[in-house]
Amino acid sequence: QVQLVESGGGVVQPGGSLRLSCAASGFTFSSYGMHWVRQAPGKGLEWVTFIRNDGSNKYYADSVKGRFTISRDNSKNTMCLQMDSLRAEDTAVYYCAKSGYCTSTSCLRLPFDNWGQGTLVTVSS
Amino acid sequence: DIVMTQSPDSLAISLGERATINCKSSQSVLYSSNNKNYLAWYQQKPGQPPKLLIYWASTRESGVPDRFSGSGSGTDFTLTISGLQAEDVAVYYCQQYYSTPFTFGPGTKVDIK
Repeated sequence: QVQLVESGGGVVQPGGSLRLSCAASGFTFSSYGMHWVRQAPGKGLEWVTFIRNDGSNKYYADSVKGRFTISRDNSKNTMCLQMDSLRAEDTAVYYCAKSGYCTSTSCLRLPFDNWGQGTLVTVSS
Repeated sequence: DIVMTQSPDSLAISLGERATINCKSSQSVLYSSNNKNYLAWYQQKPGQPPKLLIYWASTRESGVPDRFSGSGSGTDFTLTISGLQAEDVAVYYCQQYYSTPFTFGPGTKVDIK
C-alpha cells in the first residue's frame, strides 16, 4: 500500500533553514506528481508547492516563493522541501501528498489521494 | 486566487441523521473541455492527516463508505453524510484543484449531538 513518511521537522530560529524529506513507497514514485501542504496549529490546510513526476515543472504558493525549493530524486523515491529564510508564520505541520498519475496532458490538476502523517516545523527564537 | 468558503463552520448531528456541508468557490471550477469539476472533499480526524473522500465533485474514493456523497457544479458544491456514524466526527474540507494556488475551504467541524 502507499506509504509516505515525512522527516526533518524541528525547531529553527527566524531566518534559519530546514530541509524536509518525504520517503515514498508502495507505488511507482516516478509516475506521480507530489505536493507539500501545511497546517498551522489549530488552523486549516494551505497548499505549499507541487513538483511534476519528472521534476520538470514546479509550482509554489506566493507565501513561500523565493524561499522554499521543492525537489525529488526518483532513484531514491524521495521528495524534499528546502526551506530558507524561515518566518514565524511558517510554523506548521508539513504534509507530503501524492497526486494522480501523470500523463503527457495531465499531471498538475489532480486530487491529493494519499497523505503522510506530517512533520512539525516550529520557527521561534 | 480562487477563494473557497464553507458553511456551516460547525454542526452537531444525531447518530443516523443526515449532515450537509456546503462549499462555494469564488469562480467556477468547471472545466468546459471535459465537463469536470475540479473539486475535492477531504476528511481530517483529530491528530491525523487529511483523507480524500470525494473528487471530481462527486466521485467517491475507493474504500469510502457510500453514505458519503458529493454534488454540485460550477461554484456551488455539497458534501452529504447520509446516516452519521460516530467515526465520522471530523473536520471536512473542500478544495479546488482547478488552478494554482490550490486552495482549501476553512473547514466544517462535524460532531455528534
